[in-house]
Amino acid sequence: AQSVTQPDIHITVSEGASLELRCNYSYGATPYLFWYVQSPGQGLQLLLKYFSGDTLVQGIKGFEAEFKRSQSSFNLRKPSVHWSDAAEYFCAVGPGFQKLVFGTGTRLLVSP
Amino acid sequence: EAQVTQNPRYLITVTGKKLTVTCSQNMNHEYMSWYRQDPGLGLRQIYYSMNVEVTDKGDVPEGYKVSRKEKRNFPLILESPSPNQTSLYFCASSSSGYEQYFGPGTRLTVT
Repeated sequence: AQSVTQPDIHITVSEGASLELRCNYSYGATPYLFWYVQSPGQGLQLLLKYFSGDTLVQGIKGFEAEFKRSQSSFNLRKPSVHWSDAAEYFCAVGPGFQKLVFGTGTRLLVSP
Repeated sequence: EAQVTQNPRYLITVTGKKLTVTCSQNMNHEYMSWYRQDPGLGLRQIYYSMNVEVTDKGDVPEGYKVSRKEKRNFPLILESPSPNQTSLYFCASSSSGYEQYFGPGTRLTVT
């Protein structure tokens, strides 16, 4: 069965510092991978997705993620965090609607 | 503006009183889905629909019903709500089955 693990429940990063949010997945075939962001009181917004091809994908708001098949990981990165990036981030895996599985989320706190 | 709308946004009800949460999208998407979000559990899929009159269970369908009579609407029905259905509910739609667009959420409290 497919599953997603986000090992960090909370992460605090200083504004301007770099960020890496971890995501590990378990999936029997080539996965489709996603990162979503949820700001307080809002719905989820897609940051980026990986289907195939280049393993380093660029998303919105300056985020990127790298697919590493050997490590079953799809970590999200940003070189310089802004206070507005404080939110909850979800990694998800699946073939599509039918079996899209979300991780439990990582809450990002940005300190001044 | 392309969007997924949900109503109501907030609802407090009592155990056993039937309720419906509406979901509508204006993007002509074939696929629609309902999720619930609970602390420490992330989002879990309740039901999804591939197209009009085509629906199927997700991971946590117990206690919920859905219908898809029109392409744009996908209501979530709780025939007899219970306190363990207190949660934050999200509707989503997609044209490709992969990139989903989410509504703003409905916070439901069942007392």
